[in-house]
Amino acid sequence: DAMVIQNPRYQVTQFGKPVTLSCSQTLNHNVMYWYQQKSSQAPKLLFHYYDKDFNNEADTPDNFQSRRPNTSFCFLDIRSPGLGDAAMYLCATSRDRGANQPQHFGDGTRLSIL
Amino acid sequence: KQEVTQIPAALSVPEGENLVLNCSFTDSAIYNLQWFRQDPGKGLTSLLLIQSSQREQTSGRLNASLDKSSGRSTLYIAASQPGDSATYLCAVISALNAGNMLTFGGGTRLMVKP
Repeated sequence: DAMVIQNPRYQVTQFGKPVTLSCSQTLNHNVMYWYQQKSSQAPKLLFHYYDKDFNNEADTPDNFQSRRPNTSFCFLDIRSPGLGDAAMYLCATSRDRGANQPQHFGDGTRLSIL
Repeated sequence: KQEVTQIPAALSVPEGENLVLNCSFTDSAIYNLQWFRQDPGKGLTSLLLIQSSQREQTSGRLNASLDKSSGRSTLYIAASQPGDSATYLCAVISALNAGNMLTFGGGTRLMVKP
């Protein structure tokens, strides 16, 4: 059974129309991550939550926000999507933030911008 | 800044061949290195995690080695099968990454032909 679940698998939105991507986990892990992966590129970390503590990467655009209402759920909000935001968005979890903690990934949401 | 490079970017082999995928990183002060598999349009599946104190890890037909001093890791796949076709990503957690975040390589796209 999937332990990190992302919905929807495919999302289409219009240029400038806000969109929210969802991630849930059944692992009860403390840390949840959001990555952006553009075609044929490596995943790029946008931000992560350590419990309720939000950590933004320095180069993550202000257009990207995140919410974690409880341990199980984390949302990625894109306030005004541009064409350059079309990508696969990956959610991951880890039990803790230590270096020995492997990250577990969901299947991703592929976002298209019209 | 830690940088991770994977060579080759793409590889095509006939079924049954043994093969080696390469990963190099610029800063040898890593905590661990992880190999992932990514099928088209899917998320990442963790294959092997090597701690900085380890030299190799094995799982089935997969063997990953780590040479910290030279900044290199290899993923050895024995007796390759068409089902092994995927993109393989390596990622490191290093002291340079605040909060112990993963830095990914660009991946190697592997095709195993029947």
